[in-house]
Amino acid sequence: DSGVTQTPKHLITATGQRVTLRCSPRSGDLSVYWYQQSLDQGLQFLIQYYNGEERAKGNILERFSAQQFPDLHSELNLSSLELGDSALYFCASSVGFQASYEQYFGPGTRLTVT
Amino acid sequence: QQQVKQSPQSLIVQKGGIPIINCAYENTAFDYFPWYQQFPGKGPALLIAIRPDVSEKKEGRFTISFNKSAKQFSLHIMDSQPGDSATYFCAAQDEGAQKLVFGQGTRLTINP
Repeated sequence: DSGVTQTPKHLITATGQRVTLRCSPRSGDLSVYWYQQSLDQGLQFLIQYYNGEERAKGNILERFSAQQFPDLHSELNLSSLELGDSALYFCASSVGFQASYEQYFGPGTRLTVT
Repeated sequence: QQQVKQSPQSLIVQKGGIPIINCAYENTAFDYFPWYQQFPGKGPALLIAIRPDVSEKKEGRFTISFNKSAKQFSLHIMDSQPGDSATYFCAAQDEGAQKLVFGQGTRLTINP
């Protein structure tokens, strides 16, 4: 158990809908990262927050947004969902903001868009 | 420039064998190279990592070999066990970019 929690575990929704994925980092970790894992694209970095501020951005679509709250939990919002958004979404946390700090991954949220 | 190419996609080895997974990169600004292990239904977990100032790093049965001039690095698993069956990802990081770039993953199966 990494200490990172993600909810929900599974999510099934229809195209065009909006969903929110939630992540609670390990106690003491200030950085939260979001990743998308799909069969054809592998593990893709989406976005990073550090102590409430956006720190780095990857291949995140404009339809997706994220935020980190004062209690350090983070939410990833996915809107106008398309079939291609079906994937595993992982949250990771680390103590610092540089990617060389060990990142601890949560169990993931499996999103299925029908 | 941001890609990390990983091979093979899948690998089957007998127990006790030494599976080798290779990764190559182009971006010379990459300065941190971790390997992650992922079991089905779980998130990836850091296995071992290396920086380009050393050519080899060993932790238990896991060894990273690093060739800076060739821009390649590899993971060796000594005395492999069925419990090592998992998907392995190499990654690379540009300190300035503050993000990890992952390889496509290798599904490793160790047969008893």
